[in-house]
Amino acid sequence: NAGVTQTPKFQVLKTGQSMTLQCAQDMNHNSMYWYRQDPGMGLRLIYYSASEGTTDKGEVPNGYNVSRLNKREFSLRLESAAPSQTSVYFCASTVGGMGETQYFGPGTRLLVL
Amino acid sequence: DAKTTQPTSMDCAEGRAANLPCNHSTISGNEYVYWYRQIHSQGPQYIIHGLKNNETNEMASLIITEDRKSSTLILPHATLRDTAVYYCIDHSNSGYALNFGKGTSLLVTP
Repeated sequence: NAGVTQTPKFQVLKTGQSMTLQCAQDMNHNSMYWYRQDPGMGLRLIYYSASEGTTDKGEVPNGYNVSRLNKREFSLRLESAAPSQTSVYFCASTVGGMGETQYFGPGTRLLVL
Repeated sequence: DAKTTQPTSMDCAEGRAANLPCNHSTISGNEYVYWYRQIHSQGPQYIIHGLKNNETNEMASLIITEDRKSSTLILPHATLRDTAVYYCIDHSNSGYALNFGKGTSLLVTP
């Protein structure tokens, strides 16, 4: 099993550009999550999806949209990137709910100029 | 704000036990204590979790005080590869957001 995979690994955007971060898991997990991590900080939850077809806002959802395409895939979209969105983005999944062990992907490093 | 309190940083000599403390004084009865670690530039990795009893797995041991207000993660024989940021998190299965806080930066030295 590959676990949780993320693409791309690294991306540079100009202010105002859009992009979609992709996440997929092959563990048949029900719930998936998107976090961001800024330098020297802990992880902050952006959005999560408790099950296929549902999404909910986390702590810092502004400027982002998500799509739970199917049980395996959960994408994060930046419609108009801003320098404040420069960060490392991690996707995670759990078998059931948020209170269970989270399995993380390797991260996407995003730089917005 | 994080519901747990951890020291900002700790050092440990290679081969010795690393004992990482965590205070979770507001933990409620149905909340588990979870530990994750994050090696530089990688995604966080699950280590261990517990509710009331002490727990041990192939990576570490978790000691939870009887009042459940604090816990200690023990890496019995630390190696250089254990250098990472360690996060202590308390959460229930009720579904509210995890708060990773800033964790403890553990440096294992030769």
